[in-house]
Formats: sequence, C-alpha cells, structure tokens
Amino acid sequence: GDSVTQMEGPVTLSEEAFLTINCTYTATGYPSLFWYVQYPGEGLQLLLKATKADDKGSNKGFEATYRKETTSFHLEKGSVQVSDSAVYFCALTPITAGNTPLVFGKGTRLSVIA
Amino acid sequence: GAVVSQHPSWVICKSGTSVKIECRSLDFQATTMFWYRQFPKQSLMLMATSNEGSKATYEQGVEKDKFLINHASLTLSTLTVTSAHPEDSSFYICSAAPGTSGSGTQYFGPGTRLLVL
Repeated sequence: GDSVTQMEGPVTLSEEAFLTINCTYTATGYPSLFWYVQYPGEGLQLLLKATKADDKGSNKGFEATYRKETTSFHLEKGSVQVSDSAVYFCALTPITAGNTPLVFGKGTRLSVIA
Repeated sequence: GAVVSQHPSWVICKSGTSVKIECRSLDFQATTMFWYRQFPKQSLMLMATSNEGSKATYEQGVEKDKFLINHASLTLSTLTVTSAHPEDSSFYICSAAPGTSGSGTQYFGPGTRLLVL
C-alpha cells in the first residue's frame, strides 16, 4: 500500500539555520503530497501542498518540490525561527474519484533555539 | 476560510462513561470526514472514514461498537467513545474534505484531548 517515510527527529537547529526535512513516498499513480505542521497542543495545519510532478508548494518561507523521479517531497526553509518549533508531517493522498484519507509519515519534531 | 471546529477541546471523564466529540465544518460542506487518533509523540492513526448519510468505514482493529460515528449532516460528524476506559485516553482529531472531487485537501480540527480516569 501507499506509505510515507520521513527522516526521524528530533531536529534541533539554531535560529536562522537552514532546514531540510526529508520525505519520500511509495504510491501507485500520482498522489497529491502535503506537509502539515502541528504546534504543541494543537491540531494539524496545512503548510503546503503539491498535486503534480515538479510542482513547488510554498508557504511562510517553507518550500517543497514534488519530485516524481526520486519520489520525494523534501521540506526546506532558508532561515528558521523559534516560532517554527513544531512537529512536521509529510502526507499523501491518492488521486481518486472521491475523498480518501491521508497517509501520514511519522512526523519530525523540530526545535529551534535562539 | 475552511475552518473545522471540534468540541470539546478537553474532556476528563470517569471510566465507564460515554463521551461525545463533535466535529463541524464551519464554512464549507464536508461530504467526507475522517477521525484520527494520536498518541503522545506519535503520528496520526486513521480510525474511520465517515460519509454524510451513510455508515462509517472503520479501519482494521478499530471497534465500531466502541467508537460510534455519526455523520448526520454535511457540516457535522460526531464520535462517541462508549464505556470509555483509561486506554482510550488519547488526542482525537477530525478532518473534513470539501466536496467530492477527491482533490486531496483536508482541513483539520484543533483536536480533542480525552483523559479517562
């Protein structure tokens, strides 16, 4: 079945450092790919998404590019802030005729220190 | 836009009681809603998929008689944890998918933290 693999955390960075969180997927066809962020004690918020190969999703300084050839969707940010400390989930959903649940990676906890 | 609310956000109950959690899409119609469970420092585990007006589809290993799901309207789904026990303590999160296009986008509620004593 479909699956998502994320780099294991926790990841600890200093403020203004460059961030990369790796995500690879296994799926049939062409899934949509997502990054969700979960701040402490809260639900998930959609951070960005991409629905086809070579699409780049971006939001709040974060970017991820849908790479079909490497089945990857790595999350990057050029300069992290303390407020970016959260858990980041990579997810996919297959394109179907109806609504299907998301398949999540295990999540990567990011801690940014001042 | 695309706001999903959950109520309550916190609930503490005694073992053996039932707890109802509501999930509402506030500004869109959600044909499909999903219920997830999250244990501390772990990922989300899909419990069930609910479609408006039909029975929920439960994932393997999820007891449908214990976790009752009702999707009564296009903006409301409820999860009832019947005869709750301490092992049911968890963070329950719902998500809602607008329309039926299968675009993949889902909007998540803020979650409900359940503690069973």
